[in-house]
Amino acid sequence: QVHLQESGPGLVKPSETLSLTCTVSGGSVSDTNHYWSWIRQPPGKGPEWIGYVYYSGTTRYNPSLKSRVTVSVDTSRDQFSLKVNSVSAADTAVYYCARVAPTYSSGWFVNYFNLWGQGTLVIVSS
Amino acid sequence: QSVLTQPPSVSAAPGQKDTISCSGSSSNIGSNDVSWYQQLPGTAPKLLIYENDKRPSGIPDRFSGSKSGTSATLGITGLQTGDEADYYCGTWDSSLSFWVFGGGTKLTVL
Repeated sequence: QVHLQESGPGLVKPSETLSLTCTVSGGSVSDTNHYWSWIRQPPGKGPEWIGYVYYSGTTRYNPSLKSRVTVSVDTSRDQFSLKVNSVSAADTAVYYCARVAPTYSSGWFVNYFNLWGQGTLVIVSS
Repeated sequence: QSVLTQPPSVSAAPGQKDTISCSGSSSNIGSNDVSWYQQLPGTAPKLLIYENDKRPSGIPDRFSGSKSGTSATLGITGLQTGDEADYYCGTWDSSLSFWVFGGGTKLTVL
């Protein structure tokens, strides 16, 4: 049974970089049938998709976050990571990693998220 | 304001049936498959319906999904208190080129 687990600091200072890692256990991040994604949910609000990475390193991002976000993959450790630069209080959220079932139509994109991590709360505050 | 529109809340009595709507446009629901997620209090969202009307293994057949044009609907029959949760629809928006979630609907089983 595949399991996803987020890890990283729960408190980040404004203007600094938020860094999180998702560890894939019971499976492999090199699974060619899936992409790997980050999603966040501010307190009391709905989820927001951040971006995804494929084992090859191919990425795609939410345009509203693209300038500040990097998602990368480490196949040797079965992990993928998220970095968000220049954070502010608006980046305070529960961050989830998730497994993506992709689909193809004039390019690959997200079809649905079929597995989620438990989430980790990141607070941006001085 | 979400690209996909859901009612903020719905309620029904135990044992009854309820539906949750998700309204979009030709560039999202009208072009791509819809999935639904259940988020129980204090937990991560969980896939409930994918590709408009398919249920993952382990999801009871009390949950159903449908899509018509630029709208999708989640149906729940035989409501239980354990179904109280936030429900989100989602799909890819081909014009915006990213994944969009609905604003969410809080289901209360009275």
